[in-house]
Order: sequence, then structure tokens, then C-alpha cells
Amino acid sequence: QVTLRESGPALVKPTQTLTLTCTFSGFSLSSSGMSVSWIRQPPGKALEWLARIDWDDDKYYSTSLKTRLTISKDTSKNQVVLTMTNMDPVDTATYYCARWWVTTAAFDIWGQGTMVTVSS
Amino acid sequence: QSALTQPPSASGSPGQSVTISCTGTSNDVGGYNYVSWYQHHPGKAPKLLIYEVSKRPSGVPDRFSGSKSGNTASLTVSGLPAEDEADYFCSSYAGSNLWVFGGGTKLTVL
Repeated sequence: QVTLRESGPALVKPTQTLTLTCTFSGFSLSSSGMSVSWIRQPPGKALEWLARIDWDDDKYYSTSLKTRLTISKDTSKNQVVLTMTNMDPVDTATYYCARWWVTTAAFDIWGQGTMVTVSS
Repeated sequence: QSALTQPPSASGSPGQSVTISCTGTSNDVGGYNYVSWYQHHPGKAPKLLIYEVSKRPSGVPDRFSGSKSGNTASLTVSGLPAEDEADYFCSSYAGSNLWVFGGGTKLTVL
């Protein structure tokens, strides 16, 4: 069974750096065609794709946020980490990680999400 | 990349069919056959219903179907059961390894 679980702080202050961890099981991120993405949804707003890391360590970022984002993986721990610098109240959102698989070219398995509030 | 446009709400009676639209541009929905649909019950993990416009993953009931015409994709839910009351959102490849999502549609089973 494939599962993903997001973890990280529920509250961060403006200007701080957010670090989120996606811990997954049931698949290997070293398998060809596998990727993990981060996606967020501010309250009442649309989902926004943030970043993706591939099995071969290729990385892709949202055009509007790429200067603030870093995605990395630890294959031995089955984890993907996203850091977002210079947090602002507009970054308040539920953050999801999801597996992307070349077979479906879709986000086929998602975590339940973790809510992050940015406030002083 | 801009969000795809979905109606904020949709409704239907049990047993009826409901269609939810997802409108983008020629740079995303209209340009690629990589449209997917997801069902999201609040507090739970979103679930993939449709990929590559009209394909269903194993285990997804055939009452869910997808299609596309030009820059608009559609999800049809047939024979509505009460448990299909949820949020539904679409996603599309937007080129250059970028992805875009819709704003979501809250489906109410009357």
C-alpha cells in the first residue's frame, strides 16, 4: 500500500523558513518514473503546484516561487523535504505531498496535508 | 501559470448525473492530454479519479468519466450516490514541467 504523510510546523513567523517533510512508503523514489510533488491550498483558494523531484534527482519549481523553494530527497529514509524561505501570511495554506507516476502522468497518491499558518 | 476555472458548486439528486467543467487555455488543457480529476473529502487525502483526460485508475467506479473539448475538460458523475458529495478538482500539465490546478467544485447530493 502506497502512503504519504506530511509533517512540519503548524505555525511559523513571517520571514522565517518553513521546512516540510514528506515521509512515504510502498514505493521507491529511486525507481524510474517516480516523482514526488508538493502542492498547497490556501483557505478558500485553488490548489497551487509548488515543486517536484524525480527519481533521477531532477527538480522542478513553480515559476512564481522558485527563488524561495528548495526540494530534496533522502531515498534511504523515504523522505522528500521542501523548504520555503521568507514566509509571509499569504503562504498560509494546507500543504500536500503527492506521488507523480509516469504511468498515469498524474498525482496518483496524496497525503492528507498539513496546515501551516504564518503569523507573528 | 494561472489556475484552471471550475464552477464553485454543483448539485444533483441521488441517481442523477452531474457534469463539472474545467476551463483552461491552449497552454494547458487545450495543449496536452494530461488532464486529471480528483475527489477530495475534507480532512482526507485527495483521490485520483481520472487521468489523461478519460482514463480511470484501477478501483475507480465507472460512474466517473472524463472528456475534453478544446480548452475545457469535463468530469461526469453518473448515478450519484450520497458518498460522492465531496470537493472535485482538476489538474493539467502546462508545459515546461509545470502543473496547474482548478479552484475546485463542491458537489452536493440533494
